[in-house]
Amino acid sequence: SAVISQKPSRDICQRGTSLTIQCQVDSQVTMMFWYRQQPGQSLTLIATANQGSEATYESGFVIDKFPISRPNLTFSTLTVSNMSPEDSSIYLCSAPGGAGVSEAFFGQGTRLTVV
Amino acid sequence: DAKTTQPTSMDCAEGRAANLPCNHSTISGNEYVYWYRQIHSQGPQYIIHGLKNNETNEMASLIITEDRKSSTLILPHATLRDTAVYYCIVRVAGAGGTSYGKLTFGQGTILTVHP
Repeated sequence: SAVISQKPSRDICQRGTSLTIQCQVDSQVTMMFWYRQQPGQSLTLIATANQGSEATYESGFVIDKFPISRPNLTFSTLTVSNMSPEDSSIYLCSAPGGAGVSEAFFGQGTRLTVV
Repeated sequence: DAKTTQPTSMDCAEGRAANLPCNHSTISGNEYVYWYRQIHSQGPQYIIHGLKNNETNEMASLIITEDRKSSTLILPHATLRDTAVYYCIVRVAGAGGTSYGKLTFGQGTILTVHP
């Protein structure tokens, strides 16, 4: 299994500001994934972050709003830019379990409240 | 990935078996059935997955019908800590490829285990 650590675990931010969420995996993985979970809803994939290339965004999500970095095989960041109250959600990072393991593992999430 | 249908909510008495159904009538031959759960305020946790044979691990059993159009997750002796949202996801398994580790979540089943 993979152990995934996210920081911060929660934050309260002012509208118009940006927040960068960090995700650290305890093993090297090619792909990492960022999800959003709006209040009372299920998880929605934001983007796939490959090391050494631009992130691939899902429909409805754009790089200007959710820039992603992937500097190495164990780390990624997601920035929520120019925040509004509608961005209040839990943001989760995920990674596959490693070579030959097909299940995905998740961090504990970052609970973001925008006021 | 094939879509799944799950009941919105279920109740179970502590110590009894919890049987959570999932319909996936459009599943393809190379798609696996995965189950995850999300305990309140935590990231999703992998439970089990299978292709066509029944599977069992330390957490649960997975029963897949012969036509593979539905499955049941069984928690043999539910405890209060099993109260969570349970997600049934159908996807192509295997390491590598663009969908590796990427999950499409439905609304899931809210399982409440009561004393």
